[in-house]
Amino acid sequence: DAKTTQPPSMDCAEGRAANLPCNHSTISGNEYVYWYRQIHSQGPQYIIHGLKNNETNEMASLIITEDRKSSTLILPHATLRDTAVYYCIVRVTQFSGGSNYKLTFGKGTLLTVNP
Amino acid sequence: EAGVAQSPRYKIIEKRQSVAFWCNPISGHATLYWYQQILGQGPKLLIQFQNNGVVDDSQLPKDRFSAERLKGVDSTLKIQPAKLEDSAVYLCASSLITGVRETQYFGPGTRLLVL
Repeated sequence: DAKTTQPPSMDCAEGRAANLPCNHSTISGNEYVYWYRQIHSQGPQYIIHGLKNNETNEMASLIITEDRKSSTLILPHATLRDTAVYYCIVRVTQFSGGSNYKLTFGKGTLLTVNP
Repeated sequence: EAGVAQSPRYKIIEKRQSVAFWCNPISGHATLYWYQQILGQGPKLLIQFQNNGVVDDSQLPKDRFSAERLKGVDSTLKIQPAKLEDSAVYLCASSLITGVRETQYFGPGTRLLVL
């Protein structure tokens, strides 16, 4: 079962920042927070991930609260092409040589960017 | 860099028939995944390969589903016999595990309709 809670849908105006929240209150100390998105009729696409520090890349920023129980994905200037389902995933990472990097997807948040 | 290739893109079969899907991962990616995505839900992991060995097939319905990755590159997923509830998108993903961080790259998926 997914270990995250996300709103089912959100709207955002084109050109504005989109802030997508995610709750992961049972996250463990060695679990990362990952964000993927899925545009209609395509496979999921990696966006960003983080452990406890805020992260930024060319696609988005990830803000993780100090207690790590929640995070926010920020798309600074949303465009119509950002309309997609956004998945927040907490992933167990095994450091002992095992390769079980399982992504457990929930239902995600459908972000609709309006003109 | 070429992405993950999947074929066919669409398939319609009748229940109790057999079907096979093919996946060609990104060159050099040792880890390959098959996911099932039912309409309105997030992808669910079916099986994970590391090279040509199975790492995790705990959610694969083994009475009807099988998968192989004989030479550690391409993979096929087979359903025999198909049921109505197998109607879904079947996604293949691959990754190049670097340290403890891993990004999965997804193909476009094969959309299966069982009548």
